Amino acid sequence: EVQLQQSGAELGKPGTSVKLSCKVSGYNIRNTYMHWVNQRPGKGLEWIGRIDPANGNTIYAEKFKSKATLTADTSSNTAYMQLSQLKSDDTAIYFCAISYGYNPWFAYWGQGTLVTVSS
Amino acid sequence: NIVLTQSPATLSVTPGESVSLSCRASQSISTSIHWYQQKSNESPRLLIKYASQSISGIPSRFSGSGSGTDFTLSINRVESEDFSIYYCQQSYSSLFTFGSGTKLEIK
Repeated sequence: EVQLQQSGAELGKPGTSVKLSCKVSGYNIRNTYMHWVNQRPGKGLEWIGRIDPANGNTIYAEKFKSKATLTADTSSNTAYMQLSQLKSDDTAIYFCAISYGYNPWFAYWGQGTLVTVSS
Repeated sequence: NIVLTQSPATLSVTPGESVSLSCRASQSISTSIHWYQQKSNESPRLLIKYASQSISGIPSRFSGSGSGTDFTLSINRVESEDFSIYYCQQSYSSLFTFGSGTKLEIK
């Protein structure tokens, strides 16, 4: 069974950074893309970007290019997303998601990590 | 970016009714659209891939159709567990995008 286990809730001050993790069990992340999606309070889903853990190649949505940095550690089957220069509108739930192979839909999702930005 | 417009924003129905939810793309995207259901305080769940392809474990009352710019998610005889928010997602561009969602609520 494929499972994605995300790290716990984060409280960050404006201007600082946080690093979220997503540990995968039941599937080798070398064989898929890891995607990240956010959801601001009461709002819809927003695709942030994805990483190919096999080679570290990344693609970001334009608005997240200077906000998010995606990395992966294939030895621990874990992906990471660092959010920098936190602002209040970065407050959101952040999901990681994968599919089998390089299919462009999201079959498996983490439970989400709530990031709250507040001084 | 490819923009996906979902309509209506909210749909109020009685259990047992059949419904259609719309997703329109800002340019032709062939059948590169996928549908998700998100219940309150849960992660999204994949319902349909590539516009009309079914997903194992998803009830057969969910179906999808469309190609080009206009897509539809249909629910045949809505059940109480179906009241949630539905999103479409495109993969035609390598920069994926989601629609803004349709909330299905009980009338």
